[in-house]
Amino acid sequence: EAQVTQNPRYLITVTGKKLTVTCSQNMNHEYMSWYRQDPGLGLRQIYYSMNVEVTDKGDVPEGYKVSRKEKRNFPLILESPSPNQTSLYFCASSFLSGANVLTFGAGSRLTVL
Amino acid sequence: GNSVTQMEGPVTLSEEAFLTINCTYTATGYPSLFWYVQYPGEGLQLLLKATKADDKGSNKGFEATYRKETTSFHLEKGSVQVSDSAVYFCALSDINQAGTALIFGKGTTLSVSS
Repeated sequence: EAQVTQNPRYLITVTGKKLTVTCSQNMNHEYMSWYRQDPGLGLRQIYYSMNVEVTDKGDVPEGYKVSRKEKRNFPLILESPSPNQTSLYFCASSFLSGANVLTFGAGSRLTVL
Repeated sequence: GNSVTQMEGPVTLSEEAFLTINCTYTATGYPSLFWYVQYPGEGLQLLLKATKADDKGSNKGFEATYRKETTSFHLEKGSVQVSDSAVYFCALSDINQAGTALIFGKGTTLSVSS
């Protein structure tokens, strides 16, 4: 089944404790992206990648890192999480050609205490 | 820059009522337009899309027409069901922009009661 898989789905952590949210897709998509969803703000893009070893900042990149060492994986790294990073995170992917139809993961709900 | 504005919710309807969720956009170039839906506890999934002016996207009884003259892409359904309860996001992409990012509206929550 074609899908984007995120882990963990739920995580409660404490300020300053490094964490990684993994994202993997099995559709051979070139493009991958991370979004955060917050009440009243909709979805905001954190980082994106147009192919292996190519990453770029989205609208709200502060406090996050990403890497794209393999085409299928695009982990989101919070080096020192803070409470304002409490949010619902979505990974998404698509082919570069065509009309940008994104396939989303099921989401990762992160709480930073 | 490009942006999407959609009506604020929540929208509360009875089953079989007519639904309209307004969406307008600001864009340079020639964007593609999308409606995504997020059911409770799930990620977003594409509902319908239109890639050029006057195109009509349709799926699961939902429709939206790309109106360049009014820069709008309103979502409509003639008779909603309880299972349509979800958050609906209007979005645009401009292939002339680096990153091919989708720009989303803030989402409209629809609640349908029986």
